[in-house]
Amino acid sequence: QVQLQESGPGLVKPSETLSLTCAVSGYSISSGYYWGWIRQPPGKGLEWIGSIYHSGSTYYNPSLKSRVTISVDTSKNQFSLKLSSVTAADTAVYYCARHAWGKQVGDWGQGTLVTVSS
Amino acid sequence: EIVLTQSPGTLSLSPGERATLSCRASQSVSSSYLAWYQQKPGQAPRLLIYGASSRATGIPDRFSGSGSGTDFTLTISRLEPEDFAVYYCQQYGSSVYTFGQGTKLEIK
Repeated sequence: QVQLQESGPGLVKPSETLSLTCAVSGYSISSGYYWGWIRQPPGKGLEWIGSIYHSGSTYYNPSLKSRVTISVDTSKNQFSLKLSSVTAADTAVYYCARHAWGKQVGDWGQGTLVTVSS
Repeated sequence: EIVLTQSPGTLSLSPGERATLSCRASQSVSSSYLAWYQQKPGQAPRLLIYGASSRATGIPDRFSGSGSGTDFTLTISRLEPEDFAVYYCQQYGSSVYTFGQGTKLEIK
């Protein structure tokens, strides 16, 4: 059974870069599936940020594309999110997830709250 | 980008009643690409329905999904106390995933 665990700073200053990592256990990233990031501002709905395949192919939400980089490290069985030039609007719970491309998100991490504040 | 609009925003019902949640898309969505999730406070979303009408593993049969094109429905036949939560629909199209804004199902 796959497990996903997010990690990273819980507080980021405005204009800086948010960096999170998702450690995957119980499944090898190299075996397939897409690995994605989804966020949820406090009290609001869900927003897909982007996804990556183990080969490195990426798909990003057009609304965030200019600020987002998702990368994968198959040797450590983990993938990462970088979101640059953050503002208070980027304050959210960030979830990492596994899904087949074009399909439902079947596996989620527990989520990690990132607050953007000086 | 396809926009999903869920209605109602809040649904107040009692245990044992039937719940009908709607998800309308701004343009046609392939049924293969429509899913429903349940989210409880402080938890990650849980997949309920995929392919518009297929239940995910372990989901009780009181949950059912239907619809096609631009109109999709999640039905909970007889509400149990643990069903009161927020429900989201989600679609994939043109290399982008989008979610509806959610329907909160609350105890009346």
